[in-house]
Amino acid sequence: DAKTTQPTSMDCAEGRAANLPCNHSTISGNEYVYWYRQIHSQGPQYIIHGLKNNETNEMASLIITEDRKSSTLILPHATLRDTAVYYCIVRVGGNAGNMLTFGGGTRLMVKP
Amino acid sequence: NAGVTQTPKFRILKIGQSMTLQCTQDMNHNYMYWYRQDPGMGLKLIYYSVGAGITDKGEVPNGYNVSRSTTEDFPLRLELAAPSQTSVYFCASSYPTGTGELFFGEGSRLTVL
Repeated sequence: DAKTTQPTSMDCAEGRAANLPCNHSTISGNEYVYWYRQIHSQGPQYIIHGLKNNETNEMASLIITEDRKSSTLILPHATLRDTAVYYCIVRVGGNAGNMLTFGGGTRLMVKP
Repeated sequence: NAGVTQTPKFRILKIGQSMTLQCTQDMNHNYMYWYRQDPGMGLKLIYYSVGAGITDKGEVPNGYNVSRSTTEDFPLRLELAAPSQTSVYFCASSYPTGTGELFFGEGSRLTVL
């Protein structure tokens, strides 16, 4: 699976959009981009994933660049409860075993 | 559905002791995983299973053993506990196809003294 690079930490004002970047310059054509988050050392929680098109669900939006070498997770209206570590992961999709490798992630601090 | 349930939530072991971390899921998922997370670090895969009777090593399997006799249960055995095994252990499960979403338990915090 391709390696990802994320900033170590970010701050965001409550109510504003949080934009979390991820670089995955060695991503291959059959690898998906996944985002998870971990709140207060709880078990990680799935947020969203995508292959090449932008995706949106009730939690967030995922913007993937046309060359697929980077992506951005957007939390449109961040709340204090969104304070967490956010992990960007790339892996082969389909039924390839679903093993995910979690790196250091980005520690997002949402401030009042 | 309870999802993924792990026991115990906390445990303190002495060096050389053994124990089993229990994990059970009620979502009929084929795939199950054990991860460990050291303080301030990401998660590392210890072992995984793609179905009953089938297990395989992940990134950091040394010092651990697993078994998968049923779809629901995936216990992790620590033999001869060492201080380096002090960590938080997470069990997860998933369907083999679909979104690839992993469902995690709440974790088991293990301290070896």
